[in-house]
Amino acid sequence: GENVEQHPSTLSVQEGDSAVIKCTYSDSASNYFPWYKQELGKRPQLIIDIRSNVGEKKDQRIAVTLNKTAKHFSLHITETQPEDSAVYFCAASMVGTGRRALTFGSGTRLQVQP
Amino acid sequence: EAQVTQNPRYLITVTGKKLTVTCSQNMNHEYMSWYRQDPGLGLRQIYYSMNVEVTDKGDVPEGYKVSRKEKRNFPLILESPSPNQTSLYFCASSFRPDGNNEQFFGPGTRLTVL
Repeated sequence: GENVEQHPSTLSVQEGDSAVIKCTYSDSASNYFPWYKQELGKRPQLIIDIRSNVGEKKDQRIAVTLNKTAKHFSLHITETQPEDSAVYFCAASMVGTGRRALTFGSGTRLQVQP
Repeated sequence: EAQVTQNPRYLITVTGKKLTVTCSQNMNHEYMSWYRQDPGLGLRQIYYSMNVEVTDKGDVPEGYKVSRKEKRNFPLILESPSPNQTSLYFCASSFRPDGNNEQFFGPGTRLTVL
């Protein structure tokens, strides 16, 4: 089955700096890679996703890049703000198999220091 | 309001006492899933369902049962809970049956098994 590894487990940055979270996956058939943000005490919510036919996707201060050859993808947050503080999860899945939806990484706790 | 609901939100029980956590969605989603969240392990899928009467095991199904008799409901059953099932549980649903689009999470159920 799919295995997703996520690094780092914790990340502390100063407000205004950039943050990068990296994930690797094991199954080359995976082709859908979402990122979820979980604020303290809240439920996970999708913030951005990318499919394997795209190398990069941006949404305001958030971007995700995908390297299919190396089987890794990354989340980039620019101009970080205190409200970006949360746990971020990457995930991977295979479109069309129907066997399972998402295999999640272990999460990265991002702390943005004001 | 489109949402996924879970009940109860908090539960403390004892080893061996059967319990059910309910999950309901009002978005007419075909796909529903249960996850457990443990520190350092991220979100791990327990069971999922692609449609009514169609369920399958996720990564950590041992000790759990599910049923999908109606499209909107997907209860999680612990026939004989054990302390290692103490965790935070999330139900999620998505429109597509393969789950490869945004998953909407419920608010979570914090379960403690003594």
